[in-house]
Amino acid sequence: DAKTTQPNSMESNEEEPVHLPCNHSTISGTDYIHWYRQLPSQGPEYVIHGLTSNVNNRMASLAIAEDRKSSTLILHRATLRDAAVYYCILRRGGGTSYGKLTFGQGTILTVHP
Amino acid sequence: DAEITQSPRHKITETGRQVTLACHQTWNHNNMFWYRQDLGHGLRLIHYSYGVQDTNKGEVSDGYSVSRSNTEDLPLTLESAASSQTSVYFCASSSGRRTVNTEAFFGQGTRLTVV
Repeated sequence: DAKTTQPNSMESNEEEPVHLPCNHSTISGTDYIHWYRQLPSQGPEYVIHGLTSNVNNRMASLAIAEDRKSSTLILHRATLRDAAVYYCILRRGGGTSYGKLTFGQGTILTVHP
Repeated sequence: DAEITQSPRHKITETGRQVTLACHQTWNHNNMFWYRQDLGHGLRLIHYSYGVQDTNKGEVSDGYSVSRSNTEDLPLTLESAASSQTSVYFCASSSGRRTVNTEAFFGQGTRLTVV
């Protein structure tokens, strides 16, 4: 599976935008870029995903580089509830093991009041 | 509302005992997954299934088994529990046949302690 690289931790202040980077230089053409987050003592929660174009939903925006070797999750106004571990995952779209989510270490986001 | 539930939420068992963790989803999803989460390792895939009667091994499948007799359930069995299997276990499901353009839904987890 293609690997992603994320910073171990990031900090933000409440109500400020947060940009969480992810590098995935070995991404293949059929890989979707997925982001999940895990709040303390909970299961992972879907945030957003995309293939080539930038994506927006009610939770966040996903900016994908033109060469697809990196992406950035954007939280427009961080709240205390956004403090979590954020995982950037490549979800394989082909082959015999399609669809698996392979989690890395993720980025621990701390939000200060 | 559709949901995915795991049971029990907490369990303590003895070394050598057989243990089964339940996962039930009402999304009617084809794909179901079992992960374990340990400090320092993140989430690791144990087993997964793409449909009824289909099961596949993940990266840490030794000592675990699953069976898929219907769409809704994917029970995870520890054949002979070991202390190394003390962990938090998460079940997940997602829709679609041969598609990854969908989100996965996770249960709340089962904390298993093997003593």
